[in-house]
Amino acid sequence: AQTVTQSQPEMSVQEAETVTLSCTYDTSESNYYLFWYKQPPSRQMILVIRQEAYKQQNATENRFSVNFQKAAKSFSLKISDSQLGDTAMYFCAFMKGMNRDDKIIFGKGTRLHILP
Amino acid sequence: DVKVTQSSRYLVKRTGEKVFLECVQDMDHENMFWYRQDPGLGLRLIYFSYDVKMKEKGDIPEGYSVSREKKERFSLILESASTNQTSMYLCASSLTWPNYGYTFGSGTRLTVV
Repeated sequence: AQTVTQSQPEMSVQEAETVTLSCTYDTSESNYYLFWYKQPPSRQMILVIRQEAYKQQNATENRFSVNFQKAAKSFSLKISDSQLGDTAMYFCAFMKGMNRDDKIIFGKGTRLHILP
Repeated sequence: DVKVTQSSRYLVKRTGEKVFLECVQDMDHENMFWYRQDPGLGLRLIYFSYDVKMKEKGDIPEGYSVSREKKERFSLILESASTNQTSMYLCASSLTWPNYGYTFGSGTRLTVV
């Protein structure tokens, strides 16, 4: 069974700093999808970034980028020039993605505080 | 943008009550999901549905049931609410093959007293 592990339950960084959230996963599949979701306090969970495992290039979305290390089964999220609005719970997620009954599996989350 | 709407943001119910949590999506998504979110436990899948009138158990279905009579609506039912069902409930939807991820609703924070 696939698992997703986020080893940092909580982190705090100063505004404008760069922060990296860690995520590792376990799978025997060669083709799959990885996601980072953001859940701001009392607000809706939204997709931040996604990565297709067969693509070598790391995904980026503005200040958000990932470091995808397929052999190490690692999928970390880097937030550059962090802003107060980045304060949120961040979930790493995995999906095998080849069959209709494949579902997204979530890690337990990392609570990120951006300090003024 | 796809919208997933959960009918209540906050609910307080009494032990033993039958509770209905409603979720509606407006983009013709085939798949719909109910999760509960608890501190330190992350998101746990309760039930999901791939089509109208279809339902599948997730990881923690005990004490819950679901209904999907129309494609756009997926209801979670707590047959007899208990205090250990106090939680944040998240509804999500996706296309048949969710390689672009799920779209989530805003959540319903349910307190059972």
